[in-house]
Amino acid sequence: NAGVTQTPKFRVLKTGQSMTLLCAQDMNHEYMYWYRQDPGMGLRLIHYSVGEGTTAKGEVPDGYNVSRLKKQNFLLGLESAAPSQTSVYFCAVQQGSTNTGELFFGEGSRLTVL
Amino acid sequence: GQNIDQPTEMTATEGAIVQINCTYQTSGFNGLFWYQQHAGEAPTFLSYNVLDGLEEKGRFSSFLSRSKGYSYLLLKELQMKDSASYLCAAMDSNYQLIWGAGTKLIIKP
Repeated sequence: NAGVTQTPKFRVLKTGQSMTLLCAQDMNHEYMYWYRQDPGMGLRLIHYSVGEGTTAKGEVPDGYNVSRLKKQNFLLGLESAAPSQTSVYFCAVQQGSTNTGELFFGEGSRLTVL
Repeated sequence: GQNIDQPTEMTATEGAIVQINCTYQTSGFNGLFWYQQHAGEAPTFLSYNVLDGLEEKGRFSSFLSRSKGYSYLLLKELQMKDSASYLCAAMDSNYQLIWGAGTKLIIKP
């Protein structure tokens, strides 16, 4: 039982290149989130999904796109990477919009844009 | 605006007690969360408070005062493995989490 798996774990890109981060869960949870974590700042929500086929913008969506074609997968895309997108990206899943709100996080993906 | 404040770094001694404070301002409120994050790892859930008072869970306790917009995480009998960052997050009226920048806790022998 892997829980939440992110691939790749590390990636170095040149400015303007594109890439996709994959988040896969085997917890059968409805809600999935993509966050970025930067030094000295709290986790910031990029996009999220409340179920298969649905996505919504978070606090910092510009420069990113997402898709949730299957319940277990949530993809985060960077169409034209910029140095400002250098960060650690975390995927998180949540059973539903309940008051407990416990999030289960993937191990993170460290992205460097040169 | 919405905001979470917590100290950037704290130092404590193994075996001692430490209290990490968090103040929040959110549009509506649906609970206060604490997560632990070891360096280079993912955050893991510690506690959730939605009513005023103290919630105890082993060596860790979390307190909430809704009227003051204030919470603290209390760690007792500190162990070296407790060295980590502790993230405070408040859930607003839209059930979105607003995260603090985290408090790095350094435990010294």
